[in-house]
This record gives sequence, structure tokens and C-alpha cells, in this order.
Amino acid sequence: DVKVTQSSRYLVKRTGEKVFLECVQDMDHENMFWYRQDPGLGLRLIYFSYDVKMKEKGDIPEGYSVSREKKERFSLILESASTNQTSMYLCASQGDTGELFFGEGSRLTVL
Amino acid sequence: GESVGLHLPTLSVQEGDNSIINCAYSNSASDYFIWYKQESGKGPQFIIDIRSNMDKRQGQRVTVLLNKTVKHLSLQIAATQPGDSAVYFCAEEFGANSKLTFGKGITLSVRP
Repeated sequence: DVKVTQSSRYLVKRTGEKVFLECVQDMDHENMFWYRQDPGLGLRLIYFSYDVKMKEKGDIPEGYSVSREKKERFSLILESASTNQTSMYLCASQGDTGELFFGEGSRLTVL
Repeated sequence: GESVGLHLPTLSVQEGDNSIINCAYSNSASDYFIWYKQESGKGPQFIIDIRSNMDKRQGQRVTVLLNKTVKHLSLQIAATQPGDSAVYFCAEEFGANSKLTFGKGITLSVRP
């Protein structure tokens, strides 16, 4: 089975802190994605990557950056966390058929 | 713009009954559709998918129906069980390796 692992399930950070959310997949997928999920808004795409060192903006990239130094790892970075970035963050990798495999999510609270 | 939406925010069914969750999509060029299930505190899990060259696909206790004429997708769950209680999302994709567009989600609640 495909496994997508998000390193932190729950984080609490203060406004202005730098936050790293790590995601690792074990299926050698080329495509990886970061979403945020908020009540009433569904899943919104932040950034995605189709290859190592490649990144593309999604629908809501403001306030975020990403890093893809290795194929299996896709990191989401909040350079200076703000309270409106309190959310559930979901990482996914994409199989050959187009299906997305999701991690368990990282719930971030910014105080 | 294009959008994927669900008709109802919540659905309550009796245990043992069949459930039908509906989804409307607006991009007539979308060629791949997926249903995901998300249990509380977990990430979305794949349930079943269907390509636009099909109108029906069956899995274990689940069936997905695609009506391209009216751009409608539905998920049928047979003999609904308490473990089926979750939020269900439909998603659409246009073209290979394209981004999936997700609907807002619908909550399925199973009454004992």
C-alpha cells in the first residue's frame, strides 16, 4: 500500500514563527501536493510539484513556500505564521492513474 | 469558473439502508472522477473512481454512477453501516497529471 507520512499530527505555533511541515511518500511518485482544509471551504491547493526541485503555485500560495529536494519528500514552509493559517494541512502524492493518496494531516494552530 | 459541488451538506440514513450521495460538476471536459471518504481526524481515503468513458463502476458495497449529459456523479453505498459515517468528497480531473478539483464535502451520518 502507498504510504504518505506527515511528520507532525498536531502543532501549536506563535504568530511570526517559521513552520515546517514535512511529508514523505514511499511509492516513488513524481507528483506531490499540499492542501489546506477548512470548514465550509473544502480542500484548497497551496502548492504542488511534478518533479524534484520543481514547484508550482496552487490556488492559495500566499504566505507559503515549498521545498522538493528529494523525490520522496515535499515540505511546506510558513515563513512567518499568522493566525489565519490555523488549519488542517494535507499532503498527497499522485499515482499513475491520477488518484491522490493522502497523509493523515497536520493540524496547525497559530496563536 | 468551473466548480465541483455537492447538493446537500449533510445526509442522515438508517443503518442497513442504502445511501446515495450526489455531486454536480461543471467542467464538461473532465475525464476522471474520484470519491473520497474522510473519517474524523484522518486524511481522505480513496473509495472508487470512474473515467468519462464509463457510466457505472462497482466496488465492494459501493457504486459510482456518472451521467455526462447532466454532469452528475453519484456514490451509492449499499447496506450502510456505522463505519460509513464520514465526510465524502467528489473530485474531478481534466487531462493526465492535472490537479484534482474537490467538492466541499458532505457529511454522512448513520443512525443505529
